[in-house]
Amino acid sequence: SQTIHQWPATLVQPVGSPLSLECTVEGTSNPNLYWYRQAAGRGLQLLFYSVGIGQISSEVPQNLSASRPQDRQFILSSKKLLLSDSGFYLCAWSGSGQGNQPQHFGDGTRLSIL
Amino acid sequence: GDSVTQMEGPVTLSEEAFLTINCTYTATGYPSLFWYVQYPGEGLQLLLKATKADDKGSNKGFEATYRKETTSFHLEKGSVQVSDSAVYFCALRSGSSNTGKLIFGQGTTLQVKP
Repeated sequence: SQTIHQWPATLVQPVGSPLSLECTVEGTSNPNLYWYRQAAGRGLQLLFYSVGIGQISSEVPQNLSASRPQDRQFILSSKKLLLSDSGFYLCAWSGSGQGNQPQHFGDGTRLSIL
Repeated sequence: GDSVTQMEGPVTLSEEAFLTINCTYTATGYPSLFWYVQYPGEGLQLLLKATKADDKGSNKGFEATYRKETTSFHLEKGSVQVSDSAVYFCALRSGSSNTGKLIFGQGTTLQVKP
C-alpha cells in the first residue's frame, strides 16, 4: 500500500533562518506531488505541484521554493523565513495522468516563526 | 475557472442530530468530487468521493450524491457523534486535468456537543 511521510511534525524557527521540509511517498511510482499551506483557521492554499522529477509549478508568488530531486521526494525550502510563513504545511500525492484519483495527504508540519 | 463553495461554519449540533453540509461547484466538463475531513492537528483524510453524475459516495455513515443538475455535492449523516467534530472540505478535480490538482472549498467546521 502507498504511504506518505512528512517531517518534522513541528518546527520553531527564527525569522531570517532557512527552512527545509521533506516529504516522501512509498508504494507508488511517478506520483503527482503537492505542497499546501493552511493558515490558522483558514482553508488550503496550493503552493507548488510537480508532475515529475525536476518539474515544479508554482501557484503563488512567495518566499518559498520547492524541489523534486527524486521521483518520490518533494522538498519545500526557504533561504530566509518571514513571520508570514508561519502555518501548517501539508504534502500530498495523487496518481499520475488523467482520471479521478483523489489526493492523499501527509500528517503535516506545524511551522512557527519567532 | 472552476470553484467550490461550502456553507460557512461553524456548524454546532447535538449528538445524534442530522448533519448537512452544503457544497456547490462550478466546473466545465465532468469533474470528480470529494469530501475530506481534517481532525484537529492532523492532515486531511479522504472521506468519500463520486466520479460521475448521480453517484453516491459513502463512508463511516456519511453520504454525498453527485447532482449535476444542481451542481451540488452535499454531505449528510443521519446521526452525528462527538468524534465527528472536525473540519470538512469539499473538493473537485477537473475531468480533463492531468496534474491532479484539486479545487477546495474553504472548509466547514463541525462541532458536536454531547
